[in-house]
Amino acid sequence: EVQLLESGGGLVQAGGSLRLSCAASGFTFSTYAMNWVRQAPGKGLEWVSTTSVSGGNTYYADSVKGRFTISRDNSKNTLYLQMNSLRAEDTALYYCAKVLVARTYHDAFDIWGQGTMVTVAS
Amino acid sequence: EIVLTQSPGTLSLSPGERATLSCRASQSVSSYLAWYQQKPGQAPRLLIYGASSRATGIPDRFSGSGSGTDFTLTISRLEPEDFAVYYCHQYGSSPLYTFGQGTKLEIK
Repeated sequence: EVQLLESGGGLVQAGGSLRLSCAASGFTFSTYAMNWVRQAPGKGLEWVSTTSVSGGNTYYADSVKGRFTISRDNSKNTLYLQMNSLRAEDTALYYCAKVLVARTYHDAFDIWGQGTMVTVAS
Repeated sequence: EIVLTQSPGTLSLSPGERATLSCRASQSVSSYLAWYQQKPGQAPRLLIYGASSRATGIPDRFSGSGSGTDFTLTISRLEPEDFAVYYCHQYGSSPLYTFGQGTKLEIK
């Protein structure tokens, strides 16, 4: 079964840091671009970041650029999101998601984890 | 940045009725448009990709249409389990993705 399992969320003070992880199973992780998407309480979905299959190319929403870093360890089938200089507006449920087709960015997100909650206290 | 605008914000219908949800893009995304369903406490579920292709396991009462800037998700006959929030998602400018703000489909 294809599965994504996020972890690492929690309560942090504004200005603090947190590292999220997403463990993948049931598919060849190293051949898929991977993404982070967040959802603030009661709000819609917001794309956060994307990494290429190798991790050599990374992309960020303007709202997190310069503060968040996406990375991956293909030997461990794990995706990461390092979040620094956290703000109250970063409070959200963070999902990892894989693209539908291998080796492309040009696709929908077909598998999502259940999310990990990040709460930033001001 | 491509902005996606969904309408209506809330749609109130009864089971058995037909639902039509709209998504408009601020510039062309070709057919790089997906639709997701999200129920409370659950992750989004992919329904439609490529504007009109149903994802694996999605019932055929769900259909998508459109290209360029105007897209539609149609649910032909609403089942009780279809009441949820629906999001459109463009990947035409990927890897810079955007989502619409969502349409809540509620029971009338």
